[in-house]
Amino acid sequence: NAGVTQTPKFQVLKTGQSMTLQCAQDMNHNSMYWYRQDPGMGLRLIYYSASEGTTDKGEVPNGYNVSRLNKREFSLRLESAAPSQTSVYFCASSYTSEEFFGPGTRLTVL
Amino acid sequence: EDQVTQSPEALRLQEGESSSLNCSYTVSGLRGLFWYRQDPGKGPEFLFTLYSAGEEKEKERLKATLTKKESFLHITAPKPEDSATYLCAVDNYGQNFVFGPGTRLSVLP
Repeated sequence: NAGVTQTPKFQVLKTGQSMTLQCAQDMNHNSMYWYRQDPGMGLRLIYYSASEGTTDKGEVPNGYNVSRLNKREFSLRLESAAPSQTSVYFCASSYTSEEFFGPGTRLTVL
Repeated sequence: EDQVTQSPEALRLQEGESSSLNCSYTVSGLRGLFWYRQDPGKGPEFLFTLYSAGEEKEKERLKATLTKKESFLHITAPKPEDSATYLCAVDNYGQNFVFGPGTRLSVLP
């Protein structure tokens, strides 16, 4: 039982490049989330998916897109990366209340 | 706007020196308050959920309490392995949790 897995663990992009962060969970959870964590600001929600086939914007969605591929997988895409998107990205999933987090992706945009 | 603050921002304790971390919240409604532990380079790990004022939960050296406006995480006789960032989050019946910025705890041997 791996829980929530994320790939890659680290990534460096140049401004304007695109990339997709992958997330998968094996706990049969309906809800999945993408957060970003910046120093001193706490975790902020980018997008979430309450169930397979649905996605909704969170607090900071600009510059990102998501796909809920199936119940297990939820990907986050940066179409044209900007330095302001340098952050640590966490995927999480939940069934009822508490959220379970993946190990994170540390992204640097130069 | 719903808000969660945590204090202190950082705390250094000697091994065995008990203390408390504070989480204050201003929310339109509270379905639950959550405490997480986050080690460097890792994702947050769930510790406790509290649902109503007066509720308490314990796990090893940690005890979480909840009032109508704040929650405390009490650490009794901490050990170096308790060093981590402790995050508080509120479920305000919205689409997601509102997280505080965290308290960075260092326990020195």
